[in-house]
Amino acid sequence: DTAVSQTPKYLVTQMGNDKSIKCEQNLGHDTMYWYKQDSKKFLKIMFSYNNKELIINETVPNRFSPKSPDKAHLNLHINSLELGDSAVYFCASSPTGYTDTQYFGPGTRLTVL
Amino acid sequence: AQKITQTQPGMFVQEKEAVTLDCTYDTSDPSYGLFWYKQPSSGEMIFLIYQGSYDQQNATEGRYSLNFQKARKSANLVISASQLGDSAMYFCAMLGAGSYQLTFGKGTKLSVIP
Repeated sequence: DTAVSQTPKYLVTQMGNDKSIKCEQNLGHDTMYWYKQDSKKFLKIMFSYNNKELIINETVPNRFSPKSPDKAHLNLHINSLELGDSAVYFCASSPTGYTDTQYFGPGTRLTVL
Repeated sequence: AQKITQTQPGMFVQEKEAVTLDCTYDTSDPSYGLFWYKQPSSGEMIFLIYQGSYDQQNATEGRYSLNFQKARKSANLVISASQLGDSAMYFCAMLGAGSYQLTFGKGTKLSVIP
């Protein structure tokens, strides 16, 4: 009965490869997010979708492309991976957005070699 | 623009003692929410407590309480009766009304000493 799940938990890949991270929530929430946590533990929003519509698209290289096939899923595809993409990527969801608590998935640790 | 400042990179507390983790914020939004999350060494982000800017009472959740001082723009987390399992990174975060993005502080690493 996991609320927000992500796959895979660990991802090790070579520079230049393309990879995807999947996220699913079973909370019935309308809004989903992707955050990036860097090596210094700093968390920053990347994208947010509300009812499958993109509402936040921070300054992220266009090699990163989110896709929301339905309200319960938000996937992150990364093209041409670079060393600097190594980080922990968190998916989160909230009922709507306005001052709602965001619940996070377990994170995906991406290592680019 | 919103900003969260956590000035304590690391803290130590004796088991069973209380500890306060500092958080100050800056925003021009009249309405906002303040959150604390815990990140243990296993890596997951665990929601602890929420305070709305118009809430009259300080939020409490079990051993966690939020000392909210609106005029000072501070939202400190108080953990009572610390346990070894409280050792973790703690993040303060803010969400402005009408905003979908959480703004996080840099975190405080709490170590509980037996």
